[in-house]
Amino acid sequence: KNQVEQSPQSLIILEGKNCTLQCNYTVSPFSNLRWYKQDTGRGPVSLTIMTFSENTKSNGRYTATLDADTKQSSLHITASQLSDSASYICVVSSGTYKYIFGTGTRLKVLA
Amino acid sequence: GAGVSQSPRYKVAKRGQDVALRCDPISGHVSLFWYQQALGQGPEFLTYFQNEAQLDKSGLPSDRFFAERPEGSVSTLKIQRTQQEDSAVYLCASSFEGTGGTEAFFGQGTRLTVV
Repeated sequence: KNQVEQSPQSLIILEGKNCTLQCNYTVSPFSNLRWYKQDTGRGPVSLTIMTFSENTKSNGRYTATLDADTKQSSLHITASQLSDSASYICVVSSGTYKYIFGTGTRLKVLA
Repeated sequence: GAGVSQSPRYKVAKRGQDVALRCDPISGHVSLFWYQQALGQGPEFLTYFQNEAQLDKSGLPSDRFFAERPEGSVSTLKIQRTQQEDSAVYLCASSFEGTGGTEAFFGQGTRLTVV
């Protein structure tokens, strides 16, 4: 069964600190993996997208990694800001219209 | 418009009432998706349109759910005889194509509460 699992389920950090979110997937075949940020009451917004051949992609303070062999991805947030408080969702595509969503990690950044 | 627009943003329905949720995708986007997102969960696939054709409706939870996109642009998700378990955020997304290789842009969602 195609699944995307994320950890931790929730995370609280202090402003300015770094953090890393994890994503494990069993989707096959694999086409690409995206990380989305979803603010409360908003739709998800794409942060990064990586294909099979890419193992790192950065977007400002966000850096995503992908290990296609172990089927793991991580999202590293550097120098966190209050505005980073949101849910971060890992989404895997098998190349069709069906995206498989993880349940997300809820990040809270405290001042 | 500049992005995917959904209306209403919030809907409170009495159990048994019918509701209709609207999605205006980005102009020119071929693919349109509906997702259901329960509190604290990731979005779950409901249905997929390519232009006006509904190619996949396997995620619709029951025959009370019906979606249409008659002219290949605006889409409506209709829920008949709403039940409490239908309470969720309903997200619409559109993309230029539907192979998963292009960006899918999401609307802000409609939060449905059935009381």
